[in-house]
Amino acid sequence: DQQVKQNSPSLSVQEGRISILNCDYTNSMFDYFLWYKKYPAEGPTFLISISSIKDKNEDGRFTVFLNKSAKHLSLHIVPSQPGDSAVYFCAASAPTNAGKSTFGDGTTLTVKP
Amino acid sequence: DAGITQSPRHKVTETGTPVTLRCHQTENHRYMYWYRQDPGHGLRLIHYSYGVKDTDKGEVSDGYSVSRSKTEDFLLTLESATSSQTSVYFCAISKEQPIYNSPLHFGNGTRLTVT
Repeated sequence: DQQVKQNSPSLSVQEGRISILNCDYTNSMFDYFLWYKKYPAEGPTFLISISSIKDKNEDGRFTVFLNKSAKHLSLHIVPSQPGDSAVYFCAASAPTNAGKSTFGDGTTLTVKP
Repeated sequence: DAGITQSPRHKVTETGTPVTLRCHQTENHRYMYWYRQDPGHGLRLIHYSYGVKDTDKGEVSDGYSVSRSKTEDFLLTLESATSSQTSVYFCAISKEQPIYNSPLHFGNGTRLTVT
């Protein structure tokens, strides 16, 4: 039973346009959500996060939206740049599972020049 | 740079042989984790540690053991490697408190191939 799902394995967008990456979760105990970015041959790096008490968090070109009733979050990248091409992982955590984040399978984003 | 070094970076080994992967951190953080990454499975937690000699199992711990005799080192051992353990292994640390809502900082991974 996969508790965090990223249903789109890949996404391709043109440079300058918006990229929207989606993530769904099933565990109601999750109350903190994170996005990580991963380049080939490197470890994932933290990108942005959101607490369940918020519905939006913005950091420069990156915005994460959380819809608790739908158990859905999305990462918006505007404008997309070729350097954003990477694998993006959604992760979720709960206070009862201190430090043990649950990850989705990842979405490979390709931004075309 | 989170001060995490994983060694070796690449390893090819034969089925049935023991393998130990090392994670070394330079910042004395208490919380350390081992994840594996496989196509179609994302990152899955193998084992984690809350301090010296304080370890516990994650969701895919079968076939793996860990040890943490020093704060800076977290070792992952495959007692008898199998082909299903071919994967990329990532070590991670938590830096802030409370740890459940602090991001993980990852090493660059060890690519293990079991033939």
